[in-house]
Amino acid sequence: AQSVTQLDSQVPVFEEAPVELRCNYSSSVSVYLFWYVQYPNQGLQLLLKYLSGSTLVKGINGFEAEFNKSQTSFHLRKPSVHISDTAEYFCAVSSSGSARQLTFGSGTQLTVLP
Amino acid sequence: DVKVTQSSRYLVKRTGEKVFLECVQDMDHENMFWYRQDPGLGLRLIYFSYDVKMKEKGDIPEGYSVSREKKERFSLILESASTNQTSMYLCASSLLGGGMNTEAFFGQGTRLTVV
Repeated sequence: AQSVTQLDSQVPVFEEAPVELRCNYSSSVSVYLFWYVQYPNQGLQLLLKYLSGSTLVKGINGFEAEFNKSQTSFHLRKPSVHISDTAEYFCAVSSSGSARQLTFGSGTQLTVLP
Repeated sequence: DVKVTQSSRYLVKRTGEKVFLECVQDMDHENMFWYRQDPGLGLRLIYFSYDVKMKEKGDIPEGYSVSREKKERFSLILESASTNQTSMYLCASSLLGGGMNTEAFFGQGTRLTVV
């Protein structure tokens, strides 16, 4: 069985500061990893994904994430956040390569303060 | 652009009513999903369909059923709505198979309140 743990439920940060949202997963097989963003009263939008290859993945809106197999982590980072980055962020893992097996974390609410 | 459209953004229903949530996708995706989203619990899979008339139970199917009569449309049915089904419901779709096809595309969500 696979699982995803997002270690922080709420992350407040000042505008233009860097941010890291943490995600750890457990799976006994190879994984595919995703970060989704949800703006208020919206559906989920894909930020970035790791399927194979380079462990540093760049996504939209200046976000990036690093896949660390030894630490079973996929932390999301942005060097300088904006007010508009305020949203909920979900980490997800698929271990079979099929969307049927997509398991989501509980989410991290990022609040960017002026 | 892939588009997944949910028929209602907000719904208010009474306890015991039969409720239909409709979802349509325009990208010819084989897979369609219904998730429920609750604070602190993330997204939980209710039902999944990989083909017309085919369905599989997800993690929390109790109290729900689904219908997929056409490839582009996937309906979630609450046979007798209860207050504990008050939640945000998200529909998603994806291509069949793994690898690059693993990405799921989401609708805007339906916030259902059962009173």
